[in-house]
Amino acid sequence: AQTVTQSQPEMSVQEAETVTLSCTYDTSESDYYLFWYKQPPSRQMILVIRQEAYKQQNATENRFSVNFQKAAKSFSLKISDSQLGDAAMYFCAYRSQGAQKLVFGQGTRLTINP
Amino acid sequence: DTGVSQNPRHKITKRGQNVTFRCDPISEHNRLYWYRQTLGQGPEFLTYFQNEAQLEKSRLLSDRFSAERPKGSFSTLEIQRTEQGDSAMYLCASSRGATDTQYFGPGTRLTVL
Repeated sequence: AQTVTQSQPEMSVQEAETVTLSCTYDTSESDYYLFWYKQPPSRQMILVIRQEAYKQQNATENRFSVNFQKAAKSFSLKISDSQLGDAAMYFCAYRSQGAQKLVFGQGTRLTINP
Repeated sequence: DTGVSQNPRHKITKRGQNVTFRCDPISEHNRLYWYRQTLGQGPEFLTYFQNEAQLEKSRLLSDRFSAERPKGSFSTLEIQRTEQGDSAMYLCASSRGATDTQYFGPGTRLTVL
């Protein structure tokens, strides 16, 4: 079974600086999808960014970008120019090509210091 | 799109009682998912529907849990004879197709006393 590991339970960063959240996963498959979701306090989970494993180019969405290392099974999220609204729990998730369910990591709580 | 909605947002019940939650997916999304999230953990998959057919169930979904999606629209998740271990946030998500992004609702927080 696939597993997702987020080794940083908590991270903090100064406003306007850059922070990187780590995620590793375990799979024997070659085709899959990876996601970062954000869950603000008492608010619903929203998608931040997604990466298809067959794409070598790292996904980017405005201030959010990923470093996808397929051989190392690593999928880190970089947040540039951190803003107070970025404070949330961040979850890394995996989905097999042929499956529907998402497999989530334990999450990283990100605090933004003004 | 109005987003995925879930009702109620909070439910407090006594051990042994039955509870039912409702999820309304984004219109025209034919896939609907249920996840459970306990405090400080990531969501765990429970079950998923394609239209009205329930195609996958996790072993986390014991016999006390049942989910339905009549007519392929809204879905209900019922827990019978609730236990304290059932206390969690129950999340619903929907997607348009197999490879599309899953959009989550705000969740129903269940507390079993």
